[in-house]
Amino acid sequence: GESVGLHLPTLSVQEGDNSIINCAYSNSASDYFIWYKQESGKGPQFIIDIRSNMDKRQGQRVTVLLNKTVKHLSLQIAATQPGDSAVYFCAEKPGGYNKLIFGAGTRLAVHP
Amino acid sequence: DVKVTQSSRYLVKRTGEKVFLECVQDMDHENMFWYRQDPGLGLRLIYFSYDVKMKEKGDIPEGYSVSREKKERFSLILESASTNQTSMYLCASSFRTGRDSPLHFGNGTRLTVT
Repeated sequence: GESVGLHLPTLSVQEGDNSIINCAYSNSASDYFIWYKQESGKGPQFIIDIRSNMDKRQGQRVTVLLNKTVKHLSLQIAATQPGDSAVYFCAEKPGGYNKLIFGAGTRLAVHP
Repeated sequence: DVKVTQSSRYLVKRTGEKVFLECVQDMDHENMFWYRQDPGLGLRLIYFSYDVKMKEKGDIPEGYSVSREKKERFSLILESASTNQTSMYLCASSFRTGRDSPLHFGNGTRLTVT
C-alpha cells in the first residue's frame, strides 16, 4: 500500500547500534515537544515528551535532548532493534496553544 | 492505555457521496482532533474540538465538517467526497487545553474516493 514514508530522509543503522534522530523545530515560543513512532499501516504512537524547562529526559531505551538555543530536538535510541524500524516524527506545541506542529519525519531502517 | 478507535481501517467511496468517519476514545479526553496524512505533506490538521458541541477549524477545513455530540466521539464528515480527499485520516485525543499532554492517535482510516 501507499507509504507515508515516501520522500523522507532515511537513517540506516545496524541492529544493536545506537540511533540518533534529529529534528529542527520552527517556533522559539514552543514549550512542549513530543516524539512519535509510526509503523507501516498504523497511527503515530507516542514515545516520549519533554517540556522546555528541561534539557534531557530518559525513557526505556530512549532519550530526548532539547537544545533551545538552536531550536534542536533529538531522539536517541539505545541498542536499536529491528522492531524500531519506523518513521519517527517530532512535534512542537507553541506556548498558549493546544495545537501541535509536526515535523516531516525520518525513516529509521534497522539492518540485521 | 489510551485507546482511540476509528471505526473503519479502509473505505472506498464514490465521488459525490457523503462520508462519515467515526472516532471514539476511552480516556475521557476533552480534546479531539482529525488529521489527514499524505506522502510528502505530513500531518495536516482538519478540525479539532475542545469540548462537546465545540469545534474549531484547523489548517485545511475546506470540504469537511465535524460533529461532537458526546465527549468520547468525534465524527468527520465529507459532505460530497472528491478524489483529492483520498488520504489516510487520523483521529487523535488529548487532555484539556492548558495541560501539556501528548496526542494519542488511532490507527487511521485509509479512504479512497473513486
